[in-house]
Parts: sequence; C-alpha cells; structure tokens
Amino acid sequence: SSELTQDPSVSVALGQTVRITCQGDSLRSFYATWYQQKPGQAPIVVIYGKNNRPSGIPDRFSGSNSENTASLTITGAQAEDEADYYCNSRDSSGEHHFVFGGGTKVTVL
Amino acid sequence: EVQLEESGGALKQPGTSLKISCAASGFRFDDYATHWVRQRPGRGLEWVSGISWHSEDIDYADSVKGRFIVSRDNAKNALFLQMNSLRPEDTALYYCARETARCSGGTCYPVIDYWGKGTLVTVSP
Repeated sequence: SSELTQDPSVSVALGQTVRITCQGDSLRSFYATWYQQKPGQAPIVVIYGKNNRPSGIPDRFSGSNSENTASLTITGAQAEDEADYYCNSRDSSGEHHFVFGGGTKVTVL
Repeated sequence: EVQLEESGGALKQPGTSLKISCAASGFRFDDYATHWVRQRPGRGLEWVSGISWHSEDIDYADSVKGRFIVSRDNAKNALFLQMNSLRPEDTALYYCARETARCSGGTCYPVIDYWGKGTLVTVSP
C-alpha cells in the first residue's frame, strides 16, 4: 500500500494565508480528502474531491491537486482554524483501502 | 442525524483478544461501506480496515492484516472489529466511520465522511 506525506507543522499569522501539502502515489489516481481535527474531537471533512466543501465549511478553505500532490489552502486564517489537518485518499490496493497522511499541525499566531 | 457509536474498548494484556463494536443510526446502514480508523495517543490517524456494504470486499492495513477481522451485521446496524494477538502498539482510540460517495459536478468521490467519538483500547502488561 502507498503512503501520504505531510509536513508535521506550519504556522500562520492571523488573517494570512497558509498552504498545506500532501504527497503520495495514490494521489495520481484518487483525489484527496482533507480533515480538520481539534483536540478531543473526531475529524471533520473540510475539502473533498477536486475542490469541494461540505456545507458549513467556510469558503476560506480550498483545495487543489497536481500529479502526486494535493494542497489545502486557508485564505485569511482565523484563530479557530488552529488544528491538525490530515489528508486521506483511496488506495489502489483495494476497493475500500484508504491511507492517511501523518498530519500537519497548523498554529495561528 | 447520522450517528456512529463505538463501544467495547478495554485494557488488555499483550497477546490477548478483544472485539469492539459500532452501532449505527440515522442512515440506511446497508447502503454504505464502513471503516475502522485508529489514533494512537498523541499521534496521527491510521486507517485500519474497510468493509463493503455486502461484506464481500474487505481490506486491512498491513499493520493489522492476519490479526484483525472486520465484520458487520446489517440487520443490527452494527460494525465489529475482532482484534487478536494484541500488541502494545495497538493501543489507540478506535473510530468507526462511514464511507460515502460525495458527488459534485457530475463526479463522485469516495469519502470517509461521518465518524464516531471512538473507543479506547489499551494494550499493556
């Protein structure tokens, strides 16, 4: 099975823009889903597919994809965006085989 | 409202077995594949296993293959994970999660969308 690689941490000034990347071979075949996880809570989907936001997710969250890399951008980061962010995709090993990235801790300064 | 509620987490000794469960409600359970995802203390998310709605397609992470068995009972809206030969590194919060096809602009994407709150499994001598 494949792996997804994320930078462990990134910081962003309040109101500024931050981009988180995720690299892996599975992304050549499948789009990434991005999750936000705050301490003590289950993850929630913030971006899926080409660049789609579930209802209730602010439009400052956006996604992009290129070859083996997926990116999550937060434009105008807010204090409440401080969290761990994980990418995830299906894997060609099986119909319901998925893989997660190691996660990126986003700190809003 | 979609709800997933895990149960059965416990403190176990290495080499022993444990079966955890997930009760689903608020959606037609037998229309969806479901998954187990775990999170070791202070660590990231790790996909563990997935099972199709009809139980004919089952996948496991390499770290648990041959030791864990996933199953489901659609009549009872329940998902299970039988964990055998437990190791200290299996210590984690185990989440039950639903997979769906999220569609936008005519394209559908497989997404693990709803999660439970997790059940804690601790493996220690």
